[in-house]
Amino acid sequence: VLTQSPSASASLGASVKLTCSLSSGHSSFAIAWHQQQPEKGPRYLMRVHGDGRHDRGDGIPDRFSGSSSGAERHLTISGLQSEDEADYYCQTWATGIQVFGGGTKVTVL
Amino acid sequence: EVYLLESGGGLVQPGGSLRLTCSASGFTFGSYAMTWVRQVPGKGLEWVSGLNGVDGDTYYADSVKGRFTISRDNSRNTVSLQMNSLRVEDTGVYYCAKVTGGYVSDYCDLWGQGTLVTV
Repeated sequence: VLTQSPSASASLGASVKLTCSLSSGHSSFAIAWHQQQPEKGPRYLMRVHGDGRHDRGDGIPDRFSGSSSGAERHLTISGLQSEDEADYYCQTWATGIQVFGGGTKVTVL
Repeated sequence: EVYLLESGGGLVQPGGSLRLTCSASGFTFGSYAMTWVRQVPGKGLEWVSGLNGVDGDTYYADSVKGRFTISRDNSRNTVSLQMNSLRVEDTGVYYCAKVTGGYVSDYCDLWGQGTLVTV
């Protein structure tokens, strides 16, 4: 249902855009993005709606932003910092079920 | 302070049982759905089970249906996962997560630090 590229990289201070692709029949679904730093539990970042609106979680800096394009949901991290090096997962849901994408590992060069 | 704290993980033989517990603090526990998500070391997140806060309905991934049971005690602000007939492939870190609403069909907005289960 959810497809993510395995890896992405960008330089310190640059921007990186991650993509979560929804499968056919689910293109209008909202998704959530979660960050998992090494050896830590996941942390909720934001929800991204099908119309591109996004709602950041408490304490999430505004250099994390979300957007949508068709069946794709994006997470853009601007001004990359070393602590942004982590795995990023998208999540969606339906009645009685939750689904996670395979995750994207972000490397800060 | 708002947090979730899992406990109960450990080493168990195949076919054995284990009970995980998640203690919640800092929010009105009974109003929210709760869910368990696991992660094989080095791999991605896999949803395991969820329990509605609104009506108590329970849901399971096909891989654990009939073997795992999720339950909650709103008086103690805890959610548990009883795992029976454990298999080697159940090995992983188990995370407790709060769902943003009263139904499992929504996103997780608070996570615990996880507890390791080794079968």
